[in-house]
Amino acid sequence: GQNIDQPTEMTATEGAIVQINCTYQTSGFNGLFWYQQHAGEAPTFLSYNVLDGLEEKGRFSSFLSRSKGYSYLLLKELQMKDSASYLCAVRNNQAGTALIFGKGTTLSVSS
Amino acid sequence: DVKVTQSSRYLVKRTGEKVFLECVQDMDHENMFWYRQDPGLGLRLIYFSYDVKMKEKGDIPEGYSVSREKKERFSLILESASTNQTSMYLCASSKGQVISYNEQFFGPGTRLTVL
Repeated sequence: GQNIDQPTEMTATEGAIVQINCTYQTSGFNGLFWYQQHAGEAPTFLSYNVLDGLEEKGRFSSFLSRSKGYSYLLLKELQMKDSASYLCAVRNNQAGTALIFGKGTTLSVSS
Repeated sequence: DVKVTQSSRYLVKRTGEKVFLECVQDMDHENMFWYRQDPGLGLRLIYFSYDVKMKEKGDIPEGYSVSREKKERFSLILESASTNQTSMYLCASSKGQVISYNEQFFGPGTRLTVL
């Protein structure tokens, strides 16, 4: 079967760095996605990893280790607007382009 | 600007009613998806479609059906709505090929309440 785990909630302060972890179990791994979802809004794409290593995009970076079934999303220089849910999702060969989502991590940024 | 639209933001229906949720995308995407999102359960895939008239079951298809008569439109049907189908329903679309990232673009969601 497939399983994706991420912490339910995290808190941090403005200007800090936060790391949101995601572990997964799936057969035929074919990519891992991170999405951001503000309350009451649709998820929006943040990052994609299919090979091991770090992908950097401005204040956000995402890391993947396929052998460990592990990824993290790193958010630097946190801002209040980063308060949102962060969704980890995995694609596998059996499901084509369909994604299996984790339950999401709600991040609260305080001043 | 890419866009996925859903017919309603809020919908209230009665138990036993037949409910249609419509989704339209203007990006000429081959793939379309229907998810439901519930607190503590996250996003769960109901059905998806790779092409017109084609459909695949996701993780929780029971109680739902879908229709894809045109490439840009993907409908979710609740044949006989029940209270446990009260949820936020999200539609998404993506390009056809499983190459690169081909991110999914989401619509704004329909919050359905079944009384």
